[in-house]
Amino acid sequence: DAGVIQSPRHEVTEMGQEVTLRCKPISGHNSLFWYRQTMMRGLELLIYFNNNVPIDDSGMPEDRFSAKMPNASFSTLKIQPSEPRDSAVYFCASSLEVGKAFFGQGTRLTVV
Amino acid sequence: DQQVKQNSPSLSVQEGRISILNCDYTNSMFDYFLWYKKYPAEGPTFLISISSIKDKNEDGRFTVFLNKSAKHLSLHIVPSQPGDSAVYFCAASAVGQGGKLIFGQGTELSVKP
Repeated sequence: DAGVIQSPRHEVTEMGQEVTLRCKPISGHNSLFWYRQTMMRGLELLIYFNNNVPIDDSGMPEDRFSAKMPNASFSTLKIQPSEPRDSAVYFCASSLEVGKAFFGQGTRLTVV
Repeated sequence: DQQVKQNSPSLSVQEGRISILNCDYTNSMFDYFLWYKKYPAEGPTFLISISSIKDKNEDGRFTVFLNKSAKHLSLHIVPSQPGDSAVYFCAASAVGQGGKLIFGQGTELSVKP
């Protein structure tokens, strides 16, 4: 298995632009998580899905952030409009059994 | 409110010696604990886990200890190797939370030859 695949690996965008991050989870996994890593806050959970349904989005910082999972093999995290403080590494992870999540390589987002 | 805390941002150890990484938690509903290892420019990778019904789990050079009464867990690496140099994250999940992991801030381990 190729593992969790995220794209793009790096994204540089101007403030105010829309940014879309993509994730393909491991086939067969039924939970998908979006995390954000920053120096100040470490690894924080933004949202997670179970069987394609959003279960907990309490970590989504603002309405500018939205996430979708239209099917079991694809998820997106969208920021519109983006701001410099959104600059971080965004990780997608998937799991089958409770607790043991497998992470993608992350998307490093820079908003200038 | 930081439910999972790793109070040491960094740790330096000599090759061959023991590395001990510590983690404290506040939520008594946590029932499963994990350690992840992260190299630069990569995602965290699962290392070892422990259920709350156990107090020790061992996998090769890695052992995790859980002290529920103190709400404390630790990761022991023996013997430490230069390739172990990475950031180590402690994580916890609670029953009924669908596998949602809460992470600590991480401890950067440096193993010197």
